[in-house]
Amino acid sequence: NAGVTQTPKFRVLKTGQSMTLLCAQDMNHEYMYWYRQDPGMGLRLIHYSVGEGTTAKGEVPDGYNVSRLKKQNFLLGLESAAPSQTSVYFCASTLRQGARAFFGQGTRLTVV
Amino acid sequence: DQQVKQNSPSLSVQEGRISILNCDYTNSMFDYFLWYKKYPAEGPTFLISISSIKDKNEDGRFTVFLNKSAKHLSLHIVPSQPGDSAVYFCAASPTGTASKLTFGTGTRLQVTL
Repeated sequence: NAGVTQTPKFRVLKTGQSMTLLCAQDMNHEYMYWYRQDPGMGLRLIHYSVGEGTTAKGEVPDGYNVSRLKKQNFLLGLESAAPSQTSVYFCASTLRQGARAFFGQGTRLTVV
Repeated sequence: DQQVKQNSPSLSVQEGRISILNCDYTNSMFDYFLWYKKYPAEGPTFLISISSIKDKNEDGRFTVFLNKSAKHLSLHIVPSQPGDSAVYFCAASPTGTASKLTFGTGTRLQVTL
């Protein structure tokens, strides 16, 4: 049982380049989330989705876009990467509101 | 504005002793609290949770205590084991917010032999 899988695990981008991070879950969870983790700041919510076709902004949404075309997938896009977006990105999913979240293994992104 | 605070960046405990990790919060709307454990190069994994209607929840060696009046929760690990060495994150969520979690900055626990 794979759980939550993130692709890719590592990536180096040049400033201004674009990329998409893919999150896939096989647990039939309704809710999905994208967080970023930076040193000394814990995990901060970027965007989230409460079901297929829905998205909403979290705490730090600027510079990112998301899409949830299929229930099992949640994509995070960076249209024009900036060095401030260097971070470790985590995807998570929950079955329903109030249930515990399952996290992917993370994507380490460096923007130079 | 840090709504969930873990004021101890690190903690070192001897194997077999009790580890106590602390967490404070400021948002009165938080009513569900969780602890996650994170090893290097892995995602956080759920450890234990507590809702605001309780003041204690226990799962094996792990116990979480909630003091709503003080807006404080703590995680007790007894006895501590070397495999418990990891970063522990406290997280909180208000009702009706799609389970959006607000995380603390984490406490690195080192269990020594």
